[in-house]
Amino acid sequence: GENVEQHPSTLSVQEGDSAVIKCTYSDSASNYFPWYKQELGKRPQLIIDIRSNVGEKKDQRIAVTLNKTAKHFSLHITETQPEDSAVYFCAAREKSSGDKLTFGTGTRLAVRP
Amino acid sequence: DGGITQSPKYLFRKEGQNVTLSCEQNLNHDAMYWYRQDPGQGLRLIYYSQIVNDFQKGDIAEGYSVSREKKESFPLTVTSAQKNPTAFYLCASNPERGNQPQHFGDGTRLSIL
Repeated sequence: GENVEQHPSTLSVQEGDSAVIKCTYSDSASNYFPWYKQELGKRPQLIIDIRSNVGEKKDQRIAVTLNKTAKHFSLHITETQPEDSAVYFCAAREKSSGDKLTFGTGTRLAVRP
Repeated sequence: DGGITQSPKYLFRKEGQNVTLSCEQNLNHDAMYWYRQDPGQGLRLIYYSQIVNDFQKGDIAEGYSVSREKKESFPLTVTSAQKNPTAFYLCASNPERGNQPQHFGDGTRLSIL
């Protein structure tokens, strides 16, 4: 099955700086990679996703890059704001396993004002 | 997302008791999922269902059971065989076809009395 590793587990940045979270996956058949943001005690919310036929996708201050050869993908948040503070999860979906997602262990991002 | 309703929000279980967590969606999604989240950790898949009257075990199915008698409903029963049930339980759904994101409910927090 798929295995997703996520780093770092915690990240602290100054407001206005950029934050980068990296994930690697093991199954080359995986073809869909979403990122979720979860605030304390709340549901994970999709913030951006990328499919395997695309190398990069951007949505305002958030971007995701995918390197299929190296089997890793990254989340980039620019001009961070205090409201970006949350736990971020990456995930990978392997088509061969019935569309289920395998999640990374999460990154706790703290943006210092 | 407003289309997935989990209830109750908080639930307490006594020793030897089975409890059932409700998940209902009005998004007409084919696939539904149950995840367990322990404090400071990622999401682990318990069970998932891609179609009515069919479901598969996830990574941590022991001590849990599910049913999928209706498309919109996917209840999870935490049995007395689950010795460490205290966790945050999240239900999710997505359309079956194509790489579509999963949408999550607000979760149920289960504790032992």
